[in-house]
Amino acid sequence: NAGVTQTPKFRILKIGQSMTLQCAQDMNHNYMYWYRQDPGMGLKLIYYSVGAGITDKGEVPNGYNVSRSTTEDFPLRLELAAPSQTSVYFCASSYRGLRGNQPQHFGDGTRLSIL
Amino acid sequence: DQQVKQNSPSLSVQEGRISILNCDYTNSMFDYFLWYKKYPAEGPTFLISISSIKDKNEDGRFTVFLNKSAKHLSLHIVPSQPGDSAVYFCAASLRGSNYKLTFGKGTLLTVNP
Repeated sequence: NAGVTQTPKFRILKIGQSMTLQCAQDMNHNYMYWYRQDPGMGLKLIYYSVGAGITDKGEVPNGYNVSRSTTEDFPLRLELAAPSQTSVYFCASSYRGLRGNQPQHFGDGTRLSIL
Repeated sequence: DQQVKQNSPSLSVQEGRISILNCDYTNSMFDYFLWYKKYPAEGPTFLISISSIKDKNEDGRFTVFLNKSAKHLSLHIVPSQPGDSAVYFCAASLRGSNYKLTFGKGTLLTVNP
């Protein structure tokens, strides 16, 4: 079972470059999420989606964009990379929301460095 | 302002003993709490959750206790096993929210054989 797949696993960007972090899930989950984890900190929600065509901002959305054209895919776009965006990015999905016995499934993360 | 606090960055216990991981929160509007475990180079894995209408929830070796008056919750692992060595995150959800979590910074648990 693939679960949640994130690509790439590692990337180094120069300041001002752009890139897309890919996230795909094969569990037919309606809800998908993007988090970032800075060193020594907890995860912070960037964006989330409750279904294809529906996205909303989380706690730290500035500098990022998302789209959800299919149930399976939820890419995260960085348009003008800044050093403050150096972080580990996690994508997650869930069948329903956070409550109940069907929690989020996480990918293994993308480690991004902006130099 | 950190609303979910895990004040112990690390904890070391012997195999077979009890591990107790603590979490404090400041926002009284949190009404649902979760614990996640994370191994290096992997994403977090859900462990156990508790609603504010309960004060205890148990799943195998893992038990979460909630003290609403003290705004404190704890995760008990009994007995601890070397495979439990990981970073444990406490997370909380606001009343009425089904999508947003506030995470603590995590506690690194090391279980020594």
